[in-house]
Amino acid sequence: SSELTQDPAVSVALGQTVRITCQGDSLRSYYASWYQQKPGQAPVLVIYGKNNRPSGIPDRFSGSSSGNTASLTITGAQAEDEADYYCNSRDSSGNHYVVFGGGTKLTVL
Amino acid sequence: QVQLVESGGGVVQPGGSLRLSCAASGFTFSSYGMHWVRQAPGKGLEWVAFIRYDGSNKYYADSVKGRFTISRDNSKNTLYLQMNSLRAEDTAVYYCAKVLWFRELSADFDYWGQGTLVTVSS
Repeated sequence: SSELTQDPAVSVALGQTVRITCQGDSLRSYYASWYQQKPGQAPVLVIYGKNNRPSGIPDRFSGSSSGNTASLTITGAQAEDEADYYCNSRDSSGNHYVVFGGGTKLTVL
Repeated sequence: QVQLVESGGGVVQPGGSLRLSCAASGFTFSSYGMHWVRQAPGKGLEWVAFIRYDGSNKYYADSVKGRFTISRDNSKNTLYLQMNSLRAEDTAVYYCAKVLWFRELSADFDYWGQGTLVTVSS
């Protein structure tokens, strides 16, 4: 099955812009979804499809994709954005699996 | 509002069995595929299994294939995960998650339950 690779940790200064990336062969066939998870809480969907935000997700969150890389961008990061971020997608091997990236710990300085 | 409430977690010995449930409300359960996702302590998310909206197709991660069975009862708005031959490495918080798209197999999970902890230990 496919794999998705994320940087383990990223930091950003308060109010600045940060990009979190996700790489994998499946992203050539499927869009990534992005999830935010805070300690002790369930994940929350923040971006899906080409660049769609569920209701209630601030517009500072955006998504993009190119080749085998998907990106989640937070423009003007806030303290409350400090969390773990996971990407996922369908597996492109034809086995109907779902794959998750290993997660990126975002620290807002 | 959409609610997913897992139950059935607990401590079980290696080789034992456990059945998890996920009670759904606030949406037409019978129209959406459902997933189980787990998270070992301090680790990332791992997809476990998927079931189509009508139960006609089921898919499993290699790590649980042959040991776990996903099922659903649309008359009770409930999703299940039967876990047999449990191993220490199955220790995790188990989440049920709803697919965003109507009657689709998708990796877009728009609602998650709060999770239930399964600990496999002697």
